[in-house]
Amino acid sequence: QSALTQPASVSGSPGQSITISCTGTSSDVGSYNLVSWYQQHPGKAPKLMIYEGSKRPSGVSNRFSGSKSGNTASLTISGLQAEDEADYYCCSYAGSSTVWVFGGGTKLTVL
Amino acid sequence: QLQLQESGPGLVKPSETLSLTCTVSGGSISSSSYYWGWIRQPPGKGLEWIGSIYYSGSTYYNPSLKSRVTISVDTSKNQFSLKLSSVTAADTAVYYCATMTTVIAFDYWGQGTLVTVSS
Repeated sequence: QSALTQPASVSGSPGQSITISCTGTSSDVGSYNLVSWYQQHPGKAPKLMIYEGSKRPSGVSNRFSGSKSGNTASLTISGLQAEDEADYYCCSYAGSSTVWVFGGGTKLTVL
Repeated sequence: QLQLQESGPGLVKPSETLSLTCTVSGGSISSSSYYWGWIRQPPGKGLEWIGSIYYSGSTYYNPSLKSRVTISVDTSKNQFSLKLSSVTAADTAVYYCATMTTVIAFDYWGQGTLVTVSS
């Protein structure tokens, strides 16, 4: 069982917006603004899409945005495109003992 | 542009030690504030952080694996390594090396290497 809870799957049509949730606890997501999101296409390494909750690395489309409320972080993808179809993972800092925890991943299907 | 490349045996016998190396190019493994880590992904499953080593040499391990994991750095070869002892079939996974450079997130990843534990 993963430390962070994500929906197993979400779907949307091209042009629509979707949101993926990542629920943790007051010991990880709720205590630190250090949630990151990764996109993973089949057979490929994960790619950083959002860091420190809501910041985008250079080169990542502004269609991707991150936010947090309480113990739940969210990734929103607007203007869905076919190439957005992938698995998405959240990750949070969880303190000096546990350090980093990942979510179980969410499969995004673009219909 | 920083590049990471994992290497090591693709097949390990149960109860033996899994050993992998990550070679860093395009930058120095001794760079101040860089944080180097190992993450794995069992077939068809999600990501699991194994552990990390800071540029200063401080190590941090997943509590569930701590008793079996050792991460070290070889600055002369610009490499860092993972050793996981007493492996079982549950340790079969794609192993990634990754790093945090200028942001607090894993911003550079290796391509991953599949390690199968089987006799």
